[in-house]
Amino acid sequence: DGGITQSPKYLFRKEGQNVTLSCEQNLNHDAMYWYRQDPGQGLRLIYYSQIVNDFQKGDIAEGYSVSREKKESFPLTVTSAQKNPTAFYLCASRLTGSLTEAFFGQGTRLTVV
Amino acid sequence: EDQVTQSPEALRLQEGESSSLNCSYTVSGLRGLFWYRQDPGKGPEFLFTLYSAGEEKEKERLKATLTKKESFLHITAPKPEDSATYLCAAPRNTGKLIFGQGTTLQVKP
Repeated sequence: DGGITQSPKYLFRKEGQNVTLSCEQNLNHDAMYWYRQDPGQGLRLIYYSQIVNDFQKGDIAEGYSVSREKKESFPLTVTSAQKNPTAFYLCASRLTGSLTEAFFGQGTRLTVV
Repeated sequence: EDQVTQSPEALRLQEGESSSLNCSYTVSGLRGLFWYRQDPGKGPEFLFTLYSAGEEKEKERLKATLTKKESFLHITAPKPEDSATYLCAAPRNTGKLIFGQGTTLQVKP
């Protein structure tokens, strides 16, 4: 089945640590996105990528980094520079060049302990 | 600045009590609008794409409409299983996908 997979579902991070969230899709989509969602709030864009080896900052990129070495994969690293990383992280993908919807993974809940 | 705003933030309805959710946008050159449903702890699930002003889409008890300035999601005779957060999103020609903050709907039996 085609889809988008995020792992892990739950992640705990100690203060000062970097952690990497995985996002893989087998939909052959060009564009991939990372969003952050805080309780009771909407989705805020962290980074997005429309092609391999290229990505752009979203509205809240500080303290995060990404890579896009393969079309299928778009990992997000939450660095120690992100002062308030506890949140629900969502990855999405969609086709570019047309008005098509984005498909979402099931999310990763990151908690700082 | 491109912006998508949803109202109300929260809505409580009795089962069978119809209502509407609003999504207004200040996005130049809007190329369409998406509606999503999100259950707690899960990723958003796609509902509708609206391509141009005047368009309407329906799915079960939900109907989405689009004008030049806003979109509505009408819920007719809702049931408890319609309880969720409803999100709208506007795609930009830069590749960005901008979401509103969502409306959390609770339908009580």
